[in-house]
Amino acid sequence: NAGVTQTPKFQVLKTGQSMTLQCAQDMNHEYMSWYRQDPGMGLRLIHYSVGAGITDQGEVPNGYNVSRSTTEDFPLRLLSAAPSQTSVYFCASSPRGTRADTQYFGPGTRLTVL
Amino acid sequence: AQSVTQLGSHVSVSEGALVLLRCNYSSSVPPYLFWYVQYPNQGLQLLLKYTTGATLVKGINGFEAEFKKSETSFHLTKPSAHMSDAAEYFCAVSNVDSNYQLIWGAGTKLIIKP
Repeated sequence: NAGVTQTPKFQVLKTGQSMTLQCAQDMNHEYMSWYRQDPGMGLRLIHYSVGAGITDQGEVPNGYNVSRSTTEDFPLRLLSAAPSQTSVYFCASSPRGTRADTQYFGPGTRLTVL
Repeated sequence: AQSVTQLGSHVSVSEGALVLLRCNYSSSVPPYLFWYVQYPNQGLQLLLKYTTGATLVKGINGFEAEFKKSETSFHLTKPSAHMSDAAEYFCAVSNVDSNYQLIWGAGTKLIIKP
């Protein structure tokens, strides 16, 4: 099992550009989520999905879109990048998304917006 | 609103010394509690979690944590620090009030002095 994979590892964008961060898992997990990590702020939930075709907003959804057409994939789209979106982005999955579940994290994407 | 407080953004201990990382939470209902570790340039991985039952929880790499309801705490300890323990540690809580989403602390960076 590859677990949770994310691409790219690093990305530099100019303000206003759009891009998609890819996330895939091969563990047949129902629940997937996107977090951003900023120094001194822990992880903040952007969007999450409890199954294919179902997505919902987290704590900081503005400026981001998601879709979940398959169980395996959960891409995150930045519509018009802003410097405030400079961060490290983590995708995570868990078997059912229940409150006792362990979350499995990808290696992260480090994004810089100039 | 629920919150997780980790005391100390940086904790420095000597190799072989006791490691104590503090976590306090606010929750009006029984919580599920987690400690995750992030090694440099990697994603997060689960160290240990408390769901129900025994309040002293043992995790990987010799770490353990004790759930103290009266103190609303879930401090992480390890009797003897090793250089390989240098990482950032995150405490998180979930319960029915958080709609089963994880609420994260800001993280504590553990520094090991030789």
